Amino acid sequence: DGGITQSPKYLFRKEGQNVTLSCEQNLNHDAMYWYRQDPGQGLRLIYYSQIVNDFQKGDIAEGYSVSREKKESFPLTVTSAQKNPTAFYLCASRRTGNSPLHFGNGTRLTVT
Amino acid sequence: KNEVEQSPQNLTAQEGEFITINCSYSVGISALHWLQQHPGGGIVSLFMLSSGKKKHGRLIATINIQEKHSSLHITASHPRDSAVYICAVDYGQFYFGTGTSLTVIP
Repeated sequence: DGGITQSPKYLFRKEGQNVTLSCEQNLNHDAMYWYRQDPGQGLRLIYYSQIVNDFQKGDIAEGYSVSREKKESFPLTVTSAQKNPTAFYLCASRRTGNSPLHFGNGTRLTVT
Repeated sequence: KNEVEQSPQNLTAQEGEFITINCSYSVGISALHWLQQHPGGGIVSLFMLSSGKKKHGRLIATINIQEKHSSLHITASHPRDSAVYICAVDYGQFYFGTGTSLTVIP
């Protein structure tokens, strides 16, 4: 079955450490996205990529970095520069054009 | 920037009730999506609409492009419908509502 796999489901880190969240899809989708979800807020776009080796900042990119070396993979690094990293992170993908988003099951990151 | 407003924020219903969740947006869009998020956090796409009405089982979604408004209806609600329902507008990028948390009581 095709889908999006995010790992790990839960992640705990100490303040000051960088951490990388994994996102892999086998849907052959060109576009991939990282969103952050906080209580009481809609999903907010961190980064997106519409093609391999190219990505664009979203609305809240500060303190985050991404890479897109393969079509299937779009890892997100939460750096120590991110002021408030504790959140639920969702990866999504879709075919180009007018099509639905497919989501992974998310990674809940807690930084203490 | 497109503002997306959902109402109500929270909704509790008795099993079997007819449920309506509303979504309004501020600028023109290419499509509107209704999503469902279960307690574990994963999100599934229910509908993608650019006009009219769509139906899947007990779920019905409608959109009025002129009024910039969409509704999601659930007929004969069931406890397994308990989830957060999210409206998202697509105009190249997505903007998301804050969600409606639905609890259906047996």
